[in-house]
Amino acid sequence: GAVVSQHPSWVICKSGTSVKIECRSLDFQATTMFWYRQFPKQSLMLMATSNEGSKATYEQGVEKDKFLINHASLTLSTLTVTSAHPEDSSFYICSATAGGGHTDTQYFGPGTRLTVL
Amino acid sequence: GQNIDQPTEMTATEGAIVQINCTYQTSGFNGLFWYQQHAGEAPTFLSYNVLDGLEEKGRFSSFLSRSKGYSYLLLKELQMKDSASYLCAAMDSNYQLIWGAGTKLIIKP
Repeated sequence: GAVVSQHPSWVICKSGTSVKIECRSLDFQATTMFWYRQFPKQSLMLMATSNEGSKATYEQGVEKDKFLINHASLTLSTLTVTSAHPEDSSFYICSATAGGGHTDTQYFGPGTRLTVL
Repeated sequence: GQNIDQPTEMTATEGAIVQINCTYQTSGFNGLFWYQQHAGEAPTFLSYNVLDGLEEKGRFSSFLSRSKGYSYLLLKELQMKDSASYLCAAMDSNYQLIWGAGTKLIIKP
């Protein structure tokens, strides 16, 4: 149980284009979804937290107009990297929690590797 | 400030035991998580401790001392597939996870 999928698993795009990444909870309803990015050999960096039906809460320093998050349903959240640039190249990982408790375990998707040329 | 410290890298032998330590300083505390992350993959959940003591789960055990701001992950009967990074994350009073940089564990035959 508690399976989270991400699509695509990797994407290469040209600078200036937009890329959408989907995160789905396959066998549970995700009350909260998180989006992280991870640079090589570094820890996870939380970008934003989203709850179904409400606006995402972005961490300090993360541009909400550049990283658009939509949590349209209890099983789907999307991250759109708008006008991508080479510095946006990273490993993007989503996670989801099932219950309403603050300490619920986060289950991670497999990640999406984005390369911007 | 809030901070998590764990060793950058450790090496151990197949079949042996290894202990990965983690110390944390957070504003409030709502538990400590351990995750395993293989290279190029997303983290997978290993354990959650919020009370002092040792929790055993198969070959993996996790220990917490809240008074010392200290946790460790104990891996027994090491297998080659245990080669991975192990991430320690503490949850603060706002239920935010503060992540450590991870400990890369190298298992040698």
